[in-house]
Amino acid sequence: QKEVEQNSGPLSVPEGAIASLNCTYSDRGSQSFFWYRQYSGKSPELIMFIYSNGDKEDGRFTAQLNKASQYVSLLIRDSQPSDSATYLCAVNGKKSNTGKLIFGQGTTLQVKP
Amino acid sequence: GAVVSQHPSWVICKSGTSVKIECRSLDFQATTMFWYRQFPKQSLMLMATSNEGSKATYEQGVEKDKFLINHASLTLSTLTVTCAHPEDSSFYICSARRAGATGELFFGEGSRLTVL
Repeated sequence: QKEVEQNSGPLSVPEGAIASLNCTYSDRGSQSFFWYRQYSGKSPELIMFIYSNGDKEDGRFTAQLNKASQYVSLLIRDSQPSDSATYLCAVNGKKSNTGKLIFGQGTTLQVKP
Repeated sequence: GAVVSQHPSWVICKSGTSVKIECRSLDFQATTMFWYRQFPKQSLMLMATSNEGSKATYEQGVEKDKFLINHASLTLSTLTVTCAHPEDSSFYICSARRAGATGELFFGEGSRLTVL
């Protein structure tokens, strides 16, 4: 079992719709969770992070964490074509102060005009 | 957000030579930097953790002699790649962790290495 799993997609949504990206992780002791966006040929950029169970909202983005189910998701409201990218879920290991992140394989999102 | 600068962005090297990639944290001090490698359509794979003033910690399966890391200061880490085979061609990305409770990583722009 992979440590961090994501559906590779592509996930295709129409412009203006809600895109839902999902991620599961195997290490129950994981402390912090991150979502990165990566455009083709570019390096990842941080969208948001979440530590506590529940929802965390930042603009059009909402991260959701459920530690009991070992599940973290990212919702993108009012999706735009510029949101088309690969979204990487990353999980911090048990030794949270090391900053070592384990990445999922990424989900490719396509937002169609 | 924090700024991490990486260069060169593109580099070509011939088999048997080496190339140095620099990673700098521009507006914060980074006691720890990380080097990742990414092949096309694959996720980031951690190669090594670079600690200022000490030896880097390499992930299992990563050849220390081929990927030499030096973290000479709190704002600079370098990765020297010995270009042995075309299979060493990849996208190399550095990242730095900003001190604090959140622990998120900020990435450099990445360096695309092509080995001829």
